[in-house]
Amino acid sequence: EIVLTQSPGTLSLSPGERATLSCRATQSVTGSSLAWYQQKPGQAPRLLIYGASSRATGIPDRFSGSGSGTDFTLTISRLEPEDFAVYYCQQYVSSPRTFGQGTKVEIK
Amino acid sequence: EVQLVESGGGLVQPGGSLRLSCAASGFTFSIYAMHWVRQAPGKGLEYVSAISSNGGNTYYANSVKGRFTISRDNSKNTLYLQMGSLRAEDMAVYYCGSVVDSRPYWGQGTLVTVSS
Repeated sequence: EIVLTQSPGTLSLSPGERATLSCRATQSVTGSSLAWYQQKPGQAPRLLIYGASSRATGIPDRFSGSGSGTDFTLTISRLEPEDFAVYYCQQYVSSPRTFGQGTKVEIK
Repeated sequence: EVQLVESGGGLVQPGGSLRLSCAASGFTFSIYAMHWVRQAPGKGLEYVSAISSNGGNTYYANSVKGRFTISRDNSKNTLYLQMGSLRAEDMAVYYCGSVVDSRPYWGQGTLVTVSS
């Protein structure tokens, strides 16, 4: 089983700042089968990035994904008020399709 | 457009049973593996179960093995999760999903509440 570890657990930033979230895997995620989700309270997770770096439909270009192998990053170039939420990574290259434990981006 | 719509959630007593359904549309359901994940209140996402395209292979998390059964009806484009011997810790929002053309899709979820 591939274990995903996200860091930091909580990120305290101000609107307009840059956010960098990390997702590290215990084994190589081949084919860059890595996704990032945003979740707000009471809502389903929203797909932001798939294939490690492809933005889902309708996702603003301030969100970008990068990485390969075992190290992946989600970057939010300039935080907007609506970006404060919890973010999860998920690998879908092997079963079980594991998730990271989440990073909460909160307003400083 | 890929759509996944879960149903069947509700209130059930500890030890009880419930069957969740996931209606799929917008893609060729019969050629893709399907998955269930869940999220307990205030917790992260937990992968629960999976089934291959023809139903011949299944996977269960240790937390549900022996109590949950995943199945599918490719003629109805529907995925199921039969849940038995329900416990308080099974209370969660349950989401169905798939990876279609290398992109993950998930439904909006259905809430299962386990309480007496």
